Amino acid sequence: SQQGEEDPQALSIQEGENATMNCSYKTSINNLQWYRQNSGRGLVHLILIRSNEREKHSGRLRVTLDTSKKSSSLLITASRAADTASYFCATNSGGSNYKLTFGKGTLLTVNP
Amino acid sequence: NAGVTQTPKFQVLKTGQSMTLQCAQDMNHNSMYWYRQDPGMGLRLIYYSASEGTTDKGEVPNGYNVSRLNKREFSLRLESAAPSQTSVYFCASRAPSAEETQYFGPGTRLLVL
Repeated sequence: SQQGEEDPQALSIQEGENATMNCSYKTSINNLQWYRQNSGRGLVHLILIRSNEREKHSGRLRVTLDTSKKSSSLLITASRAADTASYFCATNSGGSNYKLTFGKGTLLTVNP
Repeated sequence: NAGVTQTPKFQVLKTGQSMTLQCAQDMNHNSMYWYRQDPGMGLRLIYYSASEGTTDKGEVPNGYNVSRLNKREFSLRLESAAPSQTSVYFCASRAPSAEETQYFGPGTRLLVL
């Protein structure tokens, strides 16, 4: 069963604008990760935020986590056409096997 | 360093045929995973191998078998393919430390007619 659910399903913006994607999940987590998938390619890890963290930055990416609401958001600032991709959140609920449960993703289109 | 490689890139099967999807990683990772991705869906875990010599079922294991041939290679076998197994299959691996991120291969597109 899907753990994370991204919102919106699709987002279209102009280059230079900011893009915000949200993820909600159902059970307690050890950490939450965001991955990017370019069309026809494999997933690439972007950023990981642990359950005891509230905010994390990496370059133009900003991730927040609210464990009380079981939700996370990914903000991409100053978007570029190359940011066009699908973005997935994935939750890790602990355990030694580090299994991830993925959401259905948000398709981001950045128009030049 | 090729990372995670998968073969073939694309395959068409008839219902009832069998095939093996190959995955190899050259990063000395202990854990490896097989996922399937269907349109509009996220990735669903089929099987995983926490270390060489062990395999475990994921969320959707029915119709599949796996073999962890050695530390580098983890194969996925469809014994009798069904149209419902039409999907894109991704292999992933994870480093032996406590690192919790996964590294993905480019995927295999499978069409079962």
